[in-house]
Amino acid sequence: DGGITQSPKYLFRKEGQNVTLSCEQNLNHDAMYWYRQDPGQGLRLIYYSQIVNDFQKGDIAEGYSVSREKKESFPLTVTSAQKNPTAFYLCASRTFGGEEETQYFGPGTRLLVL
Amino acid sequence: AQKITQTQPGMFVQEKEAVTLDCTYDTSDQSYGLFWYKQPSSGEMIFLIYQGSYDEQNATEGRYSLNFQKARKSANLVISASQLGDSAMYFCAMSYNNNDMRFGAGTRLTVKP
Repeated sequence: DGGITQSPKYLFRKEGQNVTLSCEQNLNHDAMYWYRQDPGQGLRLIYYSQIVNDFQKGDIAEGYSVSREKKESFPLTVTSAQKNPTAFYLCASRTFGGEEETQYFGPGTRLLVL
Repeated sequence: AQKITQTQPGMFVQEKEAVTLDCTYDTSDQSYGLFWYKQPSSGEMIFLIYQGSYDEQNATEGRYSLNFQKARKSANLVISASQLGDSAMYFCAMSYNNNDMRFGAGTRLTVKP
């Protein structure tokens, strides 16, 4: 089945550690997105990528890094510079134009700091 | 600056009745898209409905319809015949010319039996 997968479902980070969240899609979508959601809050855009080897910062990119080496994959690294990383992280991908214009989300990864 | 506003932190509706969730937006772009998503307590984001800025007809998907008033910059979601399973957070979002996406703060809908 086509869709977006994120792994792991839960991730624990120690102080000073970098961690990487995986996002893979088999929908053949060009654009991919990373959002952060804090408890009781809306979604805030971290990074997005419209094509391979290109990406743009969103509102809260500091302390995060991404790569887009393949169309299907858009991993997010939470670096030690991100001082408050505990949140729910959602990956999304999107198609443009045509009759079906939408953005689909993965199931999310919950990041907790030990 | 692009901005999405959802002014209702929480809404209640009786089962089988209709409910309207408000969303207003602010943009100077001529081309944009408006989305509504449902987020149950499990955390997944479920796409509900999409409206393009050039679409003249209001979008509909089953029990969901989008009341698009371009001049007022509003894109309200109407849920008809509410069901208990409709209880969730609902988010309005907008995409822009550069394919950026912005979300509102959300509205928590509770359906009463």
